[in-house]
Amino acid sequence: SQQGEEDPQALSIQEGENATMNCSYKTSINNLQWYRQNSGRGLVHLILIRSNEREKHSGRLRVTLDTSKKSSSLLITASRAADTASYFCASVLYNQGGKLIFGQGTELSVKP
Amino acid sequence: ETGVTQTPRHLVMGMTNKKSLKCEQHLGHNAMYWYKQSAKKPLELMFVYSLEERVENNSVPSRFSPECPNSSHLFLHLHTLQPEDSALYLCASSQDLWGAAEAFFGQGTRLTVV
Repeated sequence: SQQGEEDPQALSIQEGENATMNCSYKTSINNLQWYRQNSGRGLVHLILIRSNEREKHSGRLRVTLDTSKKSSSLLITASRAADTASYFCASVLYNQGGKLIFGQGTELSVKP
Repeated sequence: ETGVTQTPRHLVMGMTNKKSLKCEQHLGHNAMYWYKQSAKKPLELMFVYSLEERVENNSVPSRFSPECPNSSHLFLHLHTLQPEDSALYLCASSQDLWGAAEAFFGQGTRLTVV
């Protein structure tokens, strides 16, 4: 069974609004990472949060991690049309070093 | 540009063909990966290499055969594939095997098996 599950599967917002995507995982993690994928292309790393961290920021991105709930969220503030893409969380399992396990992703559409 | 280059970008092959996908990184990374991305499915980890040695084979059919001749190059040899093998194949690399840092992905090879 897959480790990560994203919610929602699809999200459509207007430019300027905030977008929040959630990710849940099942087993203990070393760290959790968020990636972005433009249609049919490779994934680009956005941010990494370690299991002992609760929140991390990078530009307009804010990631939180709640290890007690086994969940993480990605917030994109003041969204732009160029943010339209699929967003994936990926967990690095505590006892399976090196394996990035991806969720199904959230398709974000930002309308101008 | 992530520093990981995959060729070809697109490939159409018949079920009896033999072809190879190539991945190249000059980031000085020690770990390289093959992922398969099918429509409506999560990325599936296929193979993991660390320092040119295969450390993970995720129950992948033998019609997929990886090769890592050195730390900068990774190949995926394909033979007698099935139409359901059509997908985006992504190569990635990371500094080390333990996921302490991020993975860098290539642009992928869009494979169509006819």
